[in-house]
Amino acid sequence: DIQMTQSPSTLSASVGDRVTITCRASQSINYWLAWYQQKPGKAPKTLIYKASTLESGVPSRFSGSGSGTEFTLTISNLQPDDFATYYCQQYSSYFSFGPGTKVDVK
Amino acid sequence: EVQLVESGGGLVQPGGSLRLSCAASGFTFSRYWMHWVRQIPGKGLVWVSRISSDGSNIIYADSVKGRFTISRDNAKNTLYLQVSSLRADDTALYYCARDRGGTGPTTVDYWGQGTLVTVSS
Repeated sequence: DIQMTQSPSTLSASVGDRVTITCRASQSINYWLAWYQQKPGKAPKTLIYKASTLESGVPSRFSGSGSGTEFTLTISNLQPDDFATYYCQQYSSYFSFGPGTKVDVK
Repeated sequence: EVQLVESGGGLVQPGGSLRLSCAASGFTFSRYWMHWVRQIPGKGLVWVSRISSDGSNIIYADSVKGRFTISRDNAKNTLYLQVSSLRADDTALYYCARDRGGTGPTTVDYWGQGTLVTVSS
């Protein structure tokens, strides 16, 4: 099974900040990685797939990068609507999610 | 507009069963592979199962293999998850999700709002 880790588990930031979340896979997953955003009481929303492809309608301040075992999600110019929990997910072999990174208000 | 509406959750005793449903609309359901993902309230996301567009290709997470059965009725645009031999640790919000499709490995693009399954005596 492929295990996913994320760091940090919590990130405190302010509106306008640039934030970066790291996701690591226990073995190479090429670029078969997605990122999801989830707000309390809501379903997840897909942000990025294939490591760096932005889902339609997702603001361009979101970007993804990486390949192999290490990936990053970057939010440039953090907006009030971006405070949420972010999950990475590999889909190279079956499917597994990271534990999540909560972005909260500093 | 893609819509996925889950139903069928509820309170069930340990060892019991439920059938979860997911009504799909806004897209050609029969062309898409579909997933179930669950989430213990306040915890992370856990993938449960995936089914191909015609129902012939099915995979499960090890934690539910032999207890859960995914199926679909393309004539009714509905995805199902039969959950049996339920345990307390199956308590979760169960999301139905559409696979985006395409070439190579693919994963979820749209999510439903979830249906809550509570396993308790």
